[in-house]
Amino acid sequence: GESVGLHLPTLSVQEGDNSIINCAYSNSASDYFIWYKQESGKGPQFIIDIRSNMDKRQGQRVTVLLNKTVKHLSLQIAATQPGDSAVYFCAENIGGGGADGLTFGKGTHLIIQP
Amino acid sequence: ETGVTQTPRHLVMGMTNKKSLKCEQHLGHNAMYWYKQSAKKPLELMFVYNFKEQTENNSVPSRFSPECPNSSHLFLHLHTLQPEDSALYLCASSLHSGEQFFGPGTRLTVL
Repeated sequence: GESVGLHLPTLSVQEGDNSIINCAYSNSASDYFIWYKQESGKGPQFIIDIRSNMDKRQGQRVTVLLNKTVKHLSLQIAATQPGDSAVYFCAENIGGGGADGLTFGKGTHLIIQP
Repeated sequence: ETGVTQTPRHLVMGMTNKKSLKCEQHLGHNAMYWYKQSAKKPLELMFVYNFKEQTENNSVPSRFSPECPNSSHLFLHLHTLQPEDSALYLCASSLHSGEQFFGPGTRLTVL
């Protein structure tokens, strides 16, 4: 099976509310995790990343949490806006310093309700 | 714009055709990647090139043939494809093991 997965294919939230998108991974050797956003007709766009030596990382309106004990990754989006509507993917990389391909989860479609 | 461009954006081809997808990055990155995105499936890594050398082939059928003439350009040559190869083909680039920047993709339909 896949190494990285998501719990929900679709998440519907009210505009202005906070969104939490979850992801589980199974490879304990993974040390780099990334969240991507993909809008219709576009390629994935980088949102935020985190390395395994961290538990939390914050960006502008987004926070990524990493729980290595249970191999869980989450993306929190504060004050969700209509422009946040997209499919969100988590991805992992075993790293090692060189260029490596990413392993992606299936994606969560975030729907913003007015 | 991410600095990664792909052409064509859409392609329809028959199973006996030969076509090529092109990717170009203007970011000074050393690594380039091909991914396949099929409906209802996660993005699948196909190939990795680092400093023009192929470092990973993720068990991709030989009807897909990559070419990387330099660190800025990446091609995917297609021949005798099957209808199940219809998908969005995404190119990405990165500086070493850093963040990967994706192009907009080529939507391929095989008839």
